[in-house]
Amino acid sequence: ILNVEQSPQSLHVQEGDSTNFTCSFPSSNFYALHWYRWETAKSPEALFVMTLNGDEKKKGRISATLNTKEGYSYLYIKGSQPEDSATYLCALGDYGGSQGNLIFGKGTKLSVKP
Amino acid sequence: KAGVTQTPRYLIKTRGQQVTLSCSPISGHRSVSWYQQTPGQGLQFLFEYFSETQRNKGNFPGRFSGRQFSNSRSEMNVSTLELGDSALYLCASSPLGRENIQYFGAGTRLSVL
Repeated sequence: ILNVEQSPQSLHVQEGDSTNFTCSFPSSNFYALHWYRWETAKSPEALFVMTLNGDEKKKGRISATLNTKEGYSYLYIKGSQPEDSATYLCALGDYGGSQGNLIFGKGTKLSVKP
Repeated sequence: KAGVTQTPRYLIKTRGQQVTLSCSPISGHRSVSWYQQTPGQGLQFLFEYFSETQRNKGNFPGRFSGRQFSNSRSEMNVSTLELGDSALYLCASSPLGRENIQYFGAGTRLSVL
């Protein structure tokens, strides 16, 4: 069973701080690395999907990178705002050629204090 | 475009009963996946349906089953409920494409007493 590890489990930062989380995976035998944001009482929402080693994606103050050779992806948030408070999930898609399911990590819970 | 709709939002059952959860995907999406989230666990993949066929199944007992209809709507059934089945059940639909971006519903919170 593939383990997708996310660290840290939780993070408390002050408004304006920049922060980053890690998603680690032991194998590069997948097609896509996904990041989702899950706010309390809402549904998870896709942030980024990356497929190639060295991929970098950016959306506003949030960006992500993928390193398949060393088995990790980073999510960065620049100048955190209270509305960034959420659980951030990463997931591997199409692992081992198995289409249609994602293998999720347990997430990093971010709390941003005003 | 309407999002993924799950019904009911909340459900309370007792051990031994069975339950059926429903999911209506985004119009045009033919892939529907189901996930379970329990406290302290990540989203655990249950199964995925594409064009009325189960394409993938996670590591769950046979008490968990599902189906997909010709309009892509999907149902999930859990028989002989156990206390450990108490969880948030999320449905997600996905458009065609290998990236398989998931669009999630709000979930059904199942409590088994």
